[in-house]
Amino acid sequence: QKEVEQDPGPLSVPEGAIVSLNCTYSNSAFQYFMWYRQYSRKGPELLMYTYSSGNKEDGRFTAQVDKSSKYISLFIRDSQPSDSATYLCAMMVQGGSEKLVFGKGTKLTVNP
Amino acid sequence: EAGVVQSPRYKIIEKKQPVAFWCNPISGHNTLYWYRQNLGQGPELLIRYENEEAVDDSQLPKDRFSAERLKGVDSTLKIQPAELGDSAVYLCASRREGALQFFGPGTRLTVL
Repeated sequence: QKEVEQDPGPLSVPEGAIVSLNCTYSNSAFQYFMWYRQYSRKGPELLMYTYSSGNKEDGRFTAQVDKSSKYISLFIRDSQPSDSATYLCAMMVQGGSEKLVFGKGTKLTVNP
Repeated sequence: EAGVVQSPRYKIIEKKQPVAFWCNPISGHNTLYWYRQNLGQGPELLIRYENEEAVDDSQLPKDRFSAERLKGVDSTLKIQPAELGDSAVYLCASRREGALQFFGPGTRLTVL
C-alpha cells in the first residue's frame, strides 16, 4: 500500500460545478497537508496547505483534513475552465527530512 | 521575486548517452530538491540539499545518477548512461528555512 492514495480520474465537470478531490494516507505522522495544481508541461504550484486537522478556505477553494480518518479533501466552488489542471495532494512529517510525499494526481477538466 | 529556473526545458537523447540538468533556486533558498515525475504519477524525491550538503540522497540511483550543488546555489543533476526508463520530468524545488517548497517548470527528458 502506498503512503498516499489519490484517484487519478480523469474528472470532467461543467463550468460552475462544485469539484471534490480527495486523498487518503496511511502514515499517521503526517502533519502538513498540501494541494498543488499542475498545468500541462508546468511545474507544481502550491495552492493551499493545512497544518494538522481542520478546514482552510481561500476564495473558491476549501481544504479539509480529517486526521482521524486519514483523509484530506479539496473543494472547488464555481469551477472555471481555468481550473482545468492536475491536482496533486502532498504530505509531510513535521521536522525530520522535510520530504514531501505526493499522490498520483487527479486530472480535472472543467468544460465551458 | 524570480522563480526556480531550470534548463533545458526539453531534452531528447538516445539510450546510453549522458545528460545533465541545471537548476537555479530562488535567491536566499538554502534547501534545494530534485524530484522525478513519471507520467501519470506524483513527483518522487531524488535528493535534497541543505546549502551545499546532500542530506538525503537515499532515493538517488547512485550507479548512474549524480548531483552536485557547488557553492550552495545552483545545482546540476546528471545521468550517465541514460536508460529508457529514465524518461520522465525532472523537477527542481527550493525553499527557505521554515517555508514551503516552490517548484521549477521541470525538464522533460525523453530517452529513445
